[in-house]
Amino acid sequence: EIVLTQSPATLSLSPGERATLSCRASQSVSSYLAWYQQKPGQAPRLLIYDASNRATGIPARFSGSGSGTDFTLTISSLEPEDFAVYYCQQRSNWPENTFGQGTKLEIK
Amino acid sequence: QVQLQESGPGLVKPSETLSLTCAVSGYSISSGYYWGWIRQPPGKGLEWIGSIYHSGSTYYNPSLKSRVTISVDTSKNQFSLKLSSVTAADTAVYYCARATRAFDIWGQGTMVTVSS
Repeated sequence: EIVLTQSPATLSLSPGERATLSCRASQSVSSYLAWYQQKPGQAPRLLIYDASNRATGIPARFSGSGSGTDFTLTISSLEPEDFAVYYCQQRSNWPENTFGQGTKLEIK
Repeated sequence: QVQLQESGPGLVKPSETLSLTCAVSGYSISSGYYWGWIRQPPGKGLEWIGSIYHSGSTYYNPSLKSRVTISVDTSKNQFSLKLSSVTAADTAVYYCARATRAFDIWGQGTMVTVSS
């Protein structure tokens, strides 16, 4: 099973700052990595698929990069509504897949 | 637009079988894609349970495979989850989702508590 490790577990930043979230896979997943945002009491929302493709309706301040085992989600300038939990997910053997443990992005 | 809605009992007794259904609207399951179940225990992360193709082919999380059955009813445009021999560790919010290149559309989720 491919294990995804997200870091940091918690990231404390202020609105307007740049956020960089990391996801590392235990073995190569090529570019088959997605990012989700989850707010309390809500279902996850797909942000990025296949490492760098924004999902429909996702603002341009969200971007994804990486391939192989190391991936990054960048939020260029944080808006108040961006504070949430973020999960990465790999699908190298789709439809089998695994999620990372999440990074909580909190207001500093 | 495409919408998914989970339904089923919110309380299940230990050792019994959890049964949930996901009704899909705005898209015909027969047209394609995988359809999946994901769960989230209170205060914890996301766990993929399994997925089904419109043709009925199934794929399960190895850690749950012995207890999970996912089926599809294209005539009702819905798919279902059965999880047998449940324990308190199966208490979670259960989501259904459409699986294209990722889980792009999710249901709102339904909380299932395992307790006597």
